[in-house]
Amino acid sequence: AQSVTQLGSHVSVSEGALVLLRCNYSSSVPPYLFWYVQYPNQGLQLLLKYTSAATLVKGINGFEAEFKKSETSFHLTKPSAHMSDAAEYFCAVSPNFGNEKLTFGTGTRLTIIP
Amino acid sequence: DTGVSQDPRHKITKRGQNVTFRCDPISEHNRLYWYRQTLGQGPEFLTYFQNEAQLEKSRLLSDRFSAERPKGSFSTLEIQRTEQGDSAMYLCASILQGNNSPLHFGNGTRLTVT
Repeated sequence: AQSVTQLGSHVSVSEGALVLLRCNYSSSVPPYLFWYVQYPNQGLQLLLKYTSAATLVKGINGFEAEFKKSETSFHLTKPSAHMSDAAEYFCAVSPNFGNEKLTFGTGTRLTIIP
Repeated sequence: DTGVSQDPRHKITKRGQNVTFRCDPISEHNRLYWYRQTLGQGPEFLTYFQNEAQLEKSRLLSDRFSAERPKGSFSTLEIQRTEQGDSAMYLCASILQGNNSPLHFGNGTRLTVT
């Protein structure tokens, strides 16, 4: 079975600082990995996805993530945090391409300090 | 594209009552998913439909849960004899299979069982 682990349920960064949200995956086959963002009382919005085409994936709102097979990681980064980035972030894995039956991590709540 | 619509947004019910939620997907989307999200956790897959056919159900979906998508458009999720453990956010998502577009989530129905 596939799974993802998000390290750090809460992360706080100052406005303008680097954002780093960690995700490690467990999979016996090449995984398809995703990052979603959830704002309060809203559904999830896709930030980016890895489908083996390129190890560095660029997403919306200035976020990117790098797939590192040797570390089984897919960490999410943004060079400069903005107040509007405050939200809950979820890493997710899918067993194969085109399969939207996702397994989500437990989420990381990002707080931006003014 | 009016997005995925879920109704109601909030539902408070007494233990033992039945509840029904509705999801209206994006009109041309042929796949529809239901997820459940409890407090502090990531969403968990419940079931999905390809057009009107229910193709997979999670073991999380006990006999008290039933989902339908009678004409391949809107879907309903019914919970019979609700229990306090059913309290959660129920998320619906839809996608047009095969065109590499992301899963579109609705804003969810928050169920509170008292």
